[in-house]
Amino acid sequence: RKEVEQDPGPFNVPEGATVAFNCTYSNSASQSFFWYRQDCRKEPKLLMSVYSSGNEDGRFTAQLNRASQYISLLIRDSKLSDSATYLCAVIRNYGQNFVFGPGTRLSVLP
Amino acid sequence: EPEVTQTPSHQVTQMGQEVILRCVPISNHLYFYWYRQILGQKVEFLVSFYNNEISEKSEIFDDQFSVERPDGSNFTLKIRSTKLEDSAMYFCASSDPTGRETQYFGPGTRLLVL
Repeated sequence: RKEVEQDPGPFNVPEGATVAFNCTYSNSASQSFFWYRQDCRKEPKLLMSVYSSGNEDGRFTAQLNRASQYISLLIRDSKLSDSATYLCAVIRNYGQNFVFGPGTRLSVLP
Repeated sequence: EPEVTQTPSHQVTQMGQEVILRCVPISNHLYFYWYRQILGQKVEFLVSFYNNEISEKSEIFDDQFSVERPDGSNFTLKIRSTKLEDSAMYFCASSDPTGRETQYFGPGTRLLVL
């Protein structure tokens, strides 16, 4: 089983739609969780850290379920500029490396 | 806003040649990383570096790879004898010791081995 798995995608949604991304991780010792977005041929850019209590930043909401080893990202009122690949990243302890999921590609269509 | 920088942005080399990829991490960061991404594939961890030594490395990071921080600002990745399969985007990242473990990525170096 891969350490971090994501919905295979791609997701093609109209502007204004709500879209949900799912990520599961296999290592129960994982401590920290993040969502990154990656535009084509660019570096991953931090979107959100994911906290146990869940967190929201504008149109973006992230949730963590440690019992199920599951992380989610919800984008509401999607914009054309949200088109990118969304990467789930997991680390076990501070200073250790990220394990990235394969990413889910999102295309927001006019 | 401080950012991680990398040079060169693109590098083309012949198989068997040595390449050095350079990174300048964010100045107050203490943990440094190299990742690579083969075209169309996921981002993969290579190595992490802290306190002037490797703290963790993946199975990809074999004897052909080395890292160093020669002058307190640059963080380099050397590939001694490049192979065709080393062609990838190489990302440097650094993380802040005082906050959460968020890693900030540089823009990457696209390496093409011919």
